[in-house]
Formats: sequence, C-alpha cells, structure tokens
Amino acid sequence: NAGVTQTPKFRILKIGQSMTLQCTQDMNHNYMYWYRQDPGMGLKLIYYSVGAGITDKGEVPNGYNVSRSTTEDFPLRLELAAPSQTSVYFCASSYLGGAGAYGYTFGSGTRLTVV
Amino acid sequence: AQTVTQSQPEMSVQEAETVTLSCTYDTSESNYYLFWYKQPPSRQMILVIRQEAYKQQNATENRFSVNFQKAAKSFSLKISDSQLGDTAMYFCAFMKQTPSGANSKLTFGKGITLSVRP
Repeated sequence: NAGVTQTPKFRILKIGQSMTLQCTQDMNHNYMYWYRQDPGMGLKLIYYSVGAGITDKGEVPNGYNVSRSTTEDFPLRLELAAPSQTSVYFCASSYLGGAGAYGYTFGSGTRLTVV
Repeated sequence: AQTVTQSQPEMSVQEAETVTLSCTYDTSESNYYLFWYKQPPSRQMILVIRQEAYKQQNATENRFSVNFQKAAKSFSLKISDSQLGDTAMYFCAFMKQTPSGANSKLTFGKGITLSVRP
C-alpha cells in the first residue's frame, strides 16, 4: 500500500499566485486532514473531512480551501499566496473508529515557500 | 478546547543513556487518547506510542515507555538505551474519545528536538 501520498514535495510560489496541494490515500479511510507545521509551533489543523462531500474548518482555515469529491482525494487549495503561508503541509487520514487505536497515517509533507 | 504543552524546546542525550521528554495537557474530557509522534529529518511523522486515558497501566513499546499521570495531566516519554536513530523532533498529541466512536481531531504540542550524541 502506498498509504498517504502528497505532491509536490517542494514548491516555491510568488506572492499572489495560487496552487493546489494534492493528497490521495489508498486505504479507504473516511477521515482526512490537512495540517500545517511552522517552526516552534507544532502542527495546526487547517481543514478536515469525515467523508466524501463533507468538509469542515480546523483551527487555521483562512487563506485555504478544500474539497472532497472522492474518498481517496483531499486537495488543499491556496488562493492568493502570502508569505504567512510559508510552511510545511501535512495530509493525514484515519478510518472511522480507528484514530484512537492507531492515530493518523501521515503523508511525507509538502514544503511550501512563498516569496 | 484542549491544549498540549511541551515546555522543553530542545534536549540532548548521550548514546545508550536514558532520556525523558515532558508533556502536559489541559482538558475537561474524561476519556481520551494521548500519543507521541516522532519526526526524523526525513519529515515523516511516525507514531511512537499511544495511551488510553482509562487505562492505569503505562504503555510501553520496546525502548519507549510513558509515565501517564491522569490527575496531574502529565504524559512523559522515556527513551531507554538511546540510539543515534532516535535523533528527531518529538510531538505529544491529544485526542478526545467520542461516545459514538467517531474520530476526533489530534491536537499537537509544539514539539521537542532531541539530539542523541555519539
């Protein structure tokens, strides 16, 4: 199994540009999450989804959008990139009832720099 | 809302020695899970160990063990016989347990950077 796959691994954006961070999982997990990791700040939840067609905001959703048209995919959209969005982004997934027992399965992250 | 505090930003330990990483949390929930994740330089998040709040027995996984003090809301990680490969950032995380079994969100601490010296 590939687990959780994120693309790209690295990206440099100019201020005002837009991009989509891709995330796909092949474990048939209902739940998917997007976190951002900033130095000294831990991981903060941006958006999450409990199933196809259902998404909700996390702690730091401003400047981002998500969609969940299939169980497998959960892309994160950045509109009008700003330097404050320079971060490492992690996608994660878990199956219903499994998060407590097994935690989340994480992707390898995307390092985004906005200049 | 839950908060997780890791007050030590960095620690260092000699290879083969034992080190303890501290974590405290604040919650009004009675039932929850606690986790320690490891993030090596590769950036991959790796689950090290988990603890269910209703269990009094401390979790252990090989060289890794926890000291869970529910009343004190403390959840420290002990690494025995430290190895060079243990060099990483370690995150403490909290997840409340829902009655329906539905998944809840992980709340992370700020992390601690552990360096193992040869």
